[in-house]
Amino acid sequence: TQLLEQSPQFLSIQEGENLTVYCNSSSVFSSLQWYRQEPGEGPVLLVTVVTGGEVKKLKRLTFQFGDARKDSSLHITAAQPGDTGLYLCAGVGSGDDKIIFGKGTRLHILP
Amino acid sequence: DSGVTQTPKHLITATGQRVTLRCSPRSGDLSVYWYQQSLDQGLQFLIQYYNGEERAKGNILERFSAQQFPDLHSELNLSSLELGDSALYFCASSVRASASNTGELFFGEGSRLTVL
Repeated sequence: TQLLEQSPQFLSIQEGENLTVYCNSSSVFSSLQWYRQEPGEGPVLLVTVVTGGEVKKLKRLTFQFGDARKDSSLHITAAQPGDTGLYLCAGVGSGDDKIIFGKGTRLHILP
Repeated sequence: DSGVTQTPKHLITATGQRVTLRCSPRSGDLSVYWYQQSLDQGLQFLIQYYNGEERAKGNILERFSAQQFPDLHSELNLSSLELGDSALYFCASSVRASASNTGELFFGEGSRLTVL
């Protein structure tokens, strides 16, 4: 069974601080996606990383895919209250059509 | 607006009952995924359909079933409901047949099921 562990589960920090959240697995994925979910809405895709070691930047967000394609991290620079939400990583299986989600990191940025 | 429509938004029912959740995918998307989201289990993959056929199965209980119709809308049927089935049920659609093509999932707003 493919499992994705996200850490920390909860994070509450002040506006302007930097943070990193992690997504780890013992399984290899063909790609990994990061989604953000706000209350009352479905998750929305932020980025997909495909190649081991790949780094993608989306404004103040930096996503990295581990060399072995088993883990990923999301780094946010100078966090803003608008970054508040549930961040979910999703592993796209190698050889099957499943997209498996971690339980998420609930991020709260205090103004 | 993701373009994925789910109905109903909220549903309250009793244990032992049966409900049907409906999903209309984005125009042009052939794949539909169903997920269950609860606070303790997170977003659990249930099942995926592509162009009317089942493509992948996750942690879907035998009391649950789904199908995708010729017009590509999908229904998730939940029967003999238990208290533990209370959750948010999300439908997502993707244009691609295979997740290994790194297709983006577009999620609906979910159907919140409460079983009393």
